[in-house]
Amino acid sequence: AQSVTQLDSQVPVFEEAPVELRCNYSSSVSVYLFWYVQYPNQGLQLLLKYLSGSTLVKGINGFEAEFNKSQTSFHLRKPSVHISDTAEYFCAVKARTNDYKLSFGAGTTVTVRA
Amino acid sequence: DAGVIQSPRHEVTEMGQEVTLRCKPISGHDYLFWYRQTMMRGLELLIYFNNNVPIDDSGMPEDRFSAKMPNASFSTLKIQPSEPRDSAVYFCASRMTGGTEAFFGQGTRLTVV
Repeated sequence: AQSVTQLDSQVPVFEEAPVELRCNYSSSVSVYLFWYVQYPNQGLQLLLKYLSGSTLVKGINGFEAEFNKSQTSFHLRKPSVHISDTAEYFCAVKARTNDYKLSFGAGTTVTVRA
Repeated sequence: DAGVIQSPRHEVTEMGQEVTLRCKPISGHDYLFWYRQTMMRGLELLIYFNNNVPIDDSGMPEDRFSAKMPNASFSTLKIQPSEPRDSAVYFCASRMTGGTEAFFGQGTRLTVV
């Protein structure tokens, strides 16, 4: 089974400042990793995913994440946030050998202030 | 494609009533998932279907919950009878075989009073 720990439940940040959201995972098999974003009263939207290859993954809206196998981490970063980045962010993991289950972290709420 | 479509977006019902949530997956997707999101438990997988067949319903909390997928383009999640602790946002998602990404609907916010 896989599990995901998002280390910060709330992250307040000022506009144009950088932000990092931390995610650690646990799995006995190789995994795919994802970050989803949920804007207020919306569904989940994929920000980026790591499947294989380069450990630095770029996604939509200027976000990027780095896969670190030795530390079992997949932290999400953005160098300069906007008010519109205020949302909840979910890290998720799926086993490569398992075709169905996507396990989510508890989520990190990012609040961007002017 | 319009994406995964869920209805209704909001549902308010009285305790004891039957509630039916609906989902239309993306055309061509053969996996369909039902998730529940609450403050206390986060996102939980309730059940998933492959080619309209329920594969794993171990996440369904109680017998009051049931899900069906009569065809490739429609699924329902039913709660009978509903209880206040069922209040949550219920998401439907779909994916194709071999695909790595699940696509989510907008969710149904259920309030049981």
